[in-house]
Amino acid sequence: GAGVSQSPSNKVTEKGKDVELRCDPISGHTALYWYRQSLGQGLEFLIYFQGNSAPDKSGLPSDRFSAERTGGSVSTLTIQRTQQEDSAVYLCASSLSTGSYNEQFFGPGTRLTVL
Amino acid sequence: RKEVEQDPGPFNVPEGATVAFNCTYSNSASQSFFWYRQDCRKEPKLLMSVYSSGNEDGRFTAQLNRASQYISLLIRDSKLSDSATYLCVVNNQGGKLIFGQGTELSVKP
Repeated sequence: GAGVSQSPSNKVTEKGKDVELRCDPISGHTALYWYRQSLGQGLEFLIYFQGNSAPDKSGLPSDRFSAERTGGSVSTLTIQRTQQEDSAVYLCASSLSTGSYNEQFFGPGTRLTVL
Repeated sequence: RKEVEQDPGPFNVPEGATVAFNCTYSNSASQSFFWYRQDCRKEPKLLMSVYSSGNEDGRFTAQLNRASQYISLLIRDSKLSDSATYLCVVNNQGGKLIFGQGTELSVKP
């Protein structure tokens, strides 16, 4: 079946602009996660959604970052007033639930470059 | 100190070699443990979950020592196709994964 999809695959923007990144999880997966991967920082958790529960936003680096998940499916990560340090690959993952050993399936990522 | 630490690498080995990756984690309440594999410019993919009893999948063996907060991955008879970055991953709570920096492996003919 279809895996996690993300769009766009690449995004180049100017400093100070807002960007929106989209994630379509695997159908039937109730949990959805956002991570980012940047040089020198490795992969870091940003936020996750589980069903109708309040999202865990503990990994968001600043209030310029926000995410929503509509209808328990598609999610959008929004970065306002982008900065050069926001340049990274933003990865979305989904899993059946948030149980300890539930496998997270990752999308191909969105490569964001802030000029 | 990072919450999950791995060998810095890179490891360059000949085909057929046995390779060992080591990882330590700092949170004693960590609940589950994994090795992910990431190919260049691709997304991470689950290689193996790691259980306290140890587990094996073909040429791959994973071990967990909760007392020492130590995780290992052994690859036997390495293949060219094993070349990738190996990520040690810990789940502390609710599915939020904490990743190590990764160790790059290059298997040469």
